[in-house]
Amino acid sequence: QVQLVQSGAEVKKPGASVKVSCKASGYTFTGYYIYWVRQAPGQGLEWMGWSNPNSGGTKYAQKFQDRVTMTRDTSINTAYMELGSLRSDDTAVYYCARGPPGGYDPSFDYWGQGTLVTVSS
Amino acid sequence: QSALTQPASVSGSPGQSITISCTGTGSDVGGYNFVSWYQQHPGKAPKLMLYDVSNRPSGVSNRFSGSRSGNTASLTISGLQAEDEADYYCSSYTSSTTLVFGGGTKLTVL
Repeated sequence: QVQLVQSGAEVKKPGASVKVSCKASGYTFTGYYIYWVRQAPGQGLEWMGWSNPNSGGTKYAQKFQDRVTMTRDTSINTAYMELGSLRSDDTAVYYCARGPPGGYDPSFDYWGQGTLVTVSS
Repeated sequence: QSALTQPASVSGSPGQSITISCTGTGSDVGGYNFVSWYQQHPGKAPKLMLYDVSNRPSGVSNRFSGSRSGNTASLTISGLQAEDEADYYCSSYTSSTTLVFGGGTKLTVL
């Protein structure tokens, strides 16, 4: 069965970076895009960007353009999202999700369990 | 890219029907057939309920339906059940080649 398993919770200081992993199983990793979505406490969903596991190509939301990097390691079917220059308002649950190739269809059929990133001094 | 506009909350009694709207512009909701809806229970990951405006993934109840008129997409839940109480989010492709979510709607089953 399709599964996306994310890395565990993180606590970071302001200005630091965090790298969240998302390990895929149960399907052909390179056949789907990985999308990243975050949710601040008590807030709505926010799209961060996508990663194409086949080519390594990426697309980021303008808001995160200068401090997010999405990568992948096809040898272990794992996608990564690294966010730098962390601020307190980056405290959120970060989700990876599987979606169709192309980056234009927001139909994410499988989601990871979420990774809580807390930014606090 | 501004979030799509959804009502903050809607409510209904068991057995009734409710509709949640998702308003954007011609550069997102009104311009493309790539509109999806998600259900999220507290502490859980979102679940895809509708995609491409009105298509249901396998396993989603046919009580959930979608439509669009102009720049507003809608999710309708018929025969409301207690388990439908959750937050609902719409999402759309945009002309900036990005994706955007709505602000979310809290559904209360009375």
